[in-house]
Order: sequence, then structure tokens, then C-alpha cells
Amino acid sequence: AQRVTQPEKLLSVFKGAPVELKCNYSYSGSPELFWYVQYSRQRLQLLLRHISRESIKGFTADLNKGETSFHLKKPFAQEEDSAMYYCALRNTDKLIFGTGTRLQVFP
Amino acid sequence: ETGVTQTPRHLVMGMTNKKSLKCEQHLGHNAMYWYKQSAKKPLELMFVYSLEERVENNSVPSRFSPECPNSSHLFLHLHTLQPEDSALYLCASSPRTDNTEAFFGQGTRLTVV
Repeated sequence: AQRVTQPEKLLSVFKGAPVELKCNYSYSGSPELFWYVQYSRQRLQLLLRHISRESIKGFTADLNKGETSFHLKKPFAQEEDSAMYYCALRNTDKLIFGTGTRLQVFP
Repeated sequence: ETGVTQTPRHLVMGMTNKKSLKCEQHLGHNAMYWYKQSAKKPLELMFVYSLEERVENNSVPSRFSPECPNSSHLFLHLHTLQPEDSALYLCASSPRTDNTEAFFGQGTRLTVV
């Protein structure tokens, strides 16, 4: 079955510390993966997708098919990065989301 | 407001009430979705509409009834809900159903008492 797992409900770091939000998936086929972010009082929005191989707001995510992972990383966290982060997997015409990880960045 | 707009933002209803959630998008998208976000659970896809035609119904109970009168509007009609239906209901749209960059509304927080 297709599934997205985000093992951490909460990740707390200090400003300037590196951040890694974990995402593992199970999918039979060639996966297409995304990270969505929801800042406080804002709507859920796309942060990045693996096919773009881009860095958004300093975040990157590399698809590792061997480990079936798509971890989100940022070398130096900022306070404004505090938000809920959702990993998502495309399954034909729909997105399957993980349970989300809340990132708290302390000053 | 541009983007995807949901009304109301908050709704409290009794188990015997009938209410409707509304979603409107001004992005020219052809696909619209209803998601349910419960505490401690992943976002659950409920319904998918493409060009006003329902293309997906994820085994959602019949007490939830979607309606898509045109490509800009999506409704979720609620009838005889249960307390466990209390959740955040999110609407999203995308240019096509195979384009999964979904644009989300801010959601309706539903409480069933």
C-alpha cells in the first residue's frame, strides 16, 4: 500500500542549527514526492517537489530510492521556519500525505 | 480574495443539523478536492472533481455529500454528522487532476456536538 511516514511529530531546534525533517514512503513504482508547509494562520502550500531539485527558502530534499526516503533539510534554521511540514506522495491523480512534523525554531 | 476561499471558517453543528461548506477558487483550475484533517491523522482525501465531474470518492460516508456546480465552486453538504466527524475540512484546487501542485484553502474548522 502507498504510505507516507513522518516519524517525528515535533522537532525543536535553536536558530542557526541544522534541521532534518524525516519522511519515508512506500510506493510500488517511480514515486513523485513533495513537501508542503503550513505556517501559523496560513494555508497549506507547496514548498518543494523532488523533480525540481531546487532549494526553496534554504530547504532541500533529496529522493533516496534505496532508503525510500525524502528527508527535508536546511543547514541553518531560522525562526520564521517554524511551521507544520507535510511530506506527500503522488499516487496517480491524488496526493497521499504524512501526518506532519511541527518544527519549532527557538531564538 | 484570490486563490482558494472557504466559508465558513468555523462551524459548530448538532448531529441532527444540515449545513454546507463552500469552496471557491479564482485560479482557473479544472480540478477541486475535499480533504479532511483530523488530529493525529494524515490528511485524508475525500472527493476529487475534474471539470465538475466527480472522479474519486474515497469511501466517504453518505452523510457527506459533495456538489460541484461549476469549475469554480465546490460544496460539501453535511447531514446527521457524528462527533468523530469534527475536523478541519480543507478544499484544494489544481489545474488538472494529474497536476498535483494543489492550492489549498484555509479550511473550515467543524465541530459536531
